[in-house]
Amino acid sequence: DQQVKQNSPSLSVQEGRISILNCDYTNSMFDYFLWYKKYPAEGPTFLISISSIKDKNEDGRFTVFLNKSAKHLSLHIVPSQPGDSAVYFCAASHGGFGNEKLTFGTGTRLTIIP
Amino acid sequence: DAGVIQSPRHEVTEMGQEVTLRCKPISGHNSLFWYRQTMMRGLELLIYFNNNVPIDDSGMPEDRFSAKMPNASFSTLKIQPSEPRDSAVYFCASSSTGGHQPQHFGDGTRLSIL
Repeated sequence: DQQVKQNSPSLSVQEGRISILNCDYTNSMFDYFLWYKKYPAEGPTFLISISSIKDKNEDGRFTVFLNKSAKHLSLHIVPSQPGDSAVYFCAASHGGFGNEKLTFGTGTRLTIIP
Repeated sequence: DAGVIQSPRHEVTEMGQEVTLRCKPISGHNSLFWYRQTMMRGLELLIYFNNNVPIDDSGMPEDRFSAKMPNASFSTLKIQPSEPRDSAVYFCASSSTGGHQPQHFGDGTRLSIL
């Protein structure tokens, strides 16, 4: 049972344009969502997160949007840069002691075309 | 800042041998997580510790796998005996406890069982 889904395995975007990565979840108990970025031969790197009490969180070029009614979140990267080419993972948890584990999506490979 | 340190980075061994993977979490972090990444199953949590105590080991595939955290700065994941289907990249991550905290990953150990 895949509780966190990233339905697009890959995405190509022109440099300077907006990249939009999508993620859906099924578990309504999830209350904390994160995006990780992963380069080859490295571990995932934390990018940005959002709590379920918010619908938007912004950090520089990265913005995460959360739509709780649709159980959907998205990551916007504006403007996209060649260094953004990586695999992006969406993750979710329902926090609190004993519930710190993250459930990951299968990832979306983003390629920025110069 | 020293991140999560894993060793070895690569391990190639024959079926039936014992394998030990090591992890040093970020100093001050009191939660530690072991993940496995495969093409088929993506990133899946194996076990996690809080203050050196195992909290959830429901992801450990079978009795051949064991994990320990003898102190706050060291953890091991052991496979005995190893099988070819254990071949994967194994990641260790750590985080602070208290509210929602992002997990920080090491660069992983690529394990190949021949």
